[in-house]
Amino acid sequence: DAGITQSPRHKVTETGTPVTLRCHQTENHRYMYWYRQDPGHGLRLIHYSYGVKDTDKGEVSDGYSVSRSKTEDFLLTLESATSSQTSVYFCAISERGDTQYFGPGTRLTVL
Amino acid sequence: GEDVEQSLFLSVREGDSSVINCTYTDSSSTYLYWYKQEPGAGLQLLTYIFSNMDMKQDQRLTVLLNKKDKHLSLRIADTQTGDSAIYFCAETPGSGGYQKVTFGTGTKLQVIP
Repeated sequence: DAGITQSPRHKVTETGTPVTLRCHQTENHRYMYWYRQDPGHGLRLIHYSYGVKDTDKGEVSDGYSVSRSKTEDFLLTLESATSSQTSVYFCAISERGDTQYFGPGTRLTVL
Repeated sequence: GEDVEQSLFLSVREGDSSVINCTYTDSSSTYLYWYKQEPGAGLQLLTYIFSNMDMKQDQRLTVLLNKKDKHLSLRIADTQTGDSAIYFCAETPGSGGYQKVTFGTGTKLQVIP
């Protein structure tokens, strides 16, 4: 399995609080991605990174920001969490930008 | 835009073969993937096929690609209870550099003992 960890694995927070999710990889892959998975919507891309300090928006980026200061870490921040951001969040990595390998996920509940 | 369609549910008896189907719209698809997701886990890459191939076999898994009909299938031989999961089809139009990967909504496979 690709060396990808996500932390925390579970989080419960309140509306309006900031939340940061971390993705860490040991594969030295260039590309990293954040997705959310919701019933009826499948997987939707939030943001991705194509190198250190290089990021771009996905299809559902509103309310989310990302940062990548090191190759191995990709952070997803919800500046002010809302109930609509309750979801399961997956990080993925890719060496060349095509085939992706996924982390175990973070289940986030916003009350 | 690109779209990937899958049926929602499939039920099979243990020991039978399972066939999970997928259709896609992007005629420039280069790689087509099958992922498996078990409850509470991430997506595990099972196998993929390059667009210039018709078939790929890997132990109990057989992938068939019909480019003319834009149809992809995953056959699991001798299906076991451990194969119960959600299976996602996905495609990407190219290789090298960022490539958007489009995922289907998943097919839930139920294996009846």
